[in-house]
Amino acid sequence: AQTVTQSQPEMSVQEAETVTLSCTYDTSESNYYLFWYKQPPSRQMILVIRQEAYKQQNATENRFSVNFQKAAKSFSLKISDSQLGDTAMYFCASSTTSGTYKYIFGTGTRLKVLA
Amino acid sequence: NAGVTQTPKFQVLKTGQSMTLQCAQDMNHNSMYWYRQDPGMGLRLIYYSASEGTTDKGEVPNGYNVSRLNKREFSLRLESAAPSQTSVYFCASSEGTGATNYGYTFGSGTRLTVV
Repeated sequence: AQTVTQSQPEMSVQEAETVTLSCTYDTSESNYYLFWYKQPPSRQMILVIRQEAYKQQNATENRFSVNFQKAAKSFSLKISDSQLGDTAMYFCASSTTSGTYKYIFGTGTRLKVLA
Repeated sequence: NAGVTQTPKFQVLKTGQSMTLQCAQDMNHNSMYWYRQDPGMGLRLIYYSASEGTTDKGEVPNGYNVSRLNKREFSLRLESAAPSQTSVYFCASSEGTGATNYGYTFGSGTRLTVV
């Protein structure tokens, strides 16, 4: 069975600084997808970044990047130049590549960006 | 482009009452999902539908039923609401089996309170 663990319930960062959110996972699949979703106070779930496990290159989307360590089963999210609008709950999730794409979510990290 | 539309956004029920949460997507996605979000527990899969005409149980199906009315619509029914079903409910959709997994598109969620 797949599991996803986020060990940091809450974090804070000063505006313009860099912060890293941790995520570890476990799966018996040889290939899979990993995601980070952002949930601002509006409650809407927004896809931040996506990584295919067979790709060695770390995914990057503007100020957001991941450090994907496949052997260690680690998938951390780095937010550079943090902005007040980054204040949100962040969820890490994994999905298989076969069958229906059921996701397993972590418990989330609440990030607060301080002015 | 509406994406995934959930109704209602908020609902208060008395214990024992029934209700149906509605979800519709306009992206021609094959697969649809219902998740519940509880504090400290992330999102957990209730039911999913891999394609029109099929439904399957997820991690926490007890107390719920679903209907995949057509390709666009996937409803979640609580037959006899219990306080333990107080939660935020999300509907999501994706391309489905065999397609590249670009991530879910989520609805805006329904906050349900059972008193």
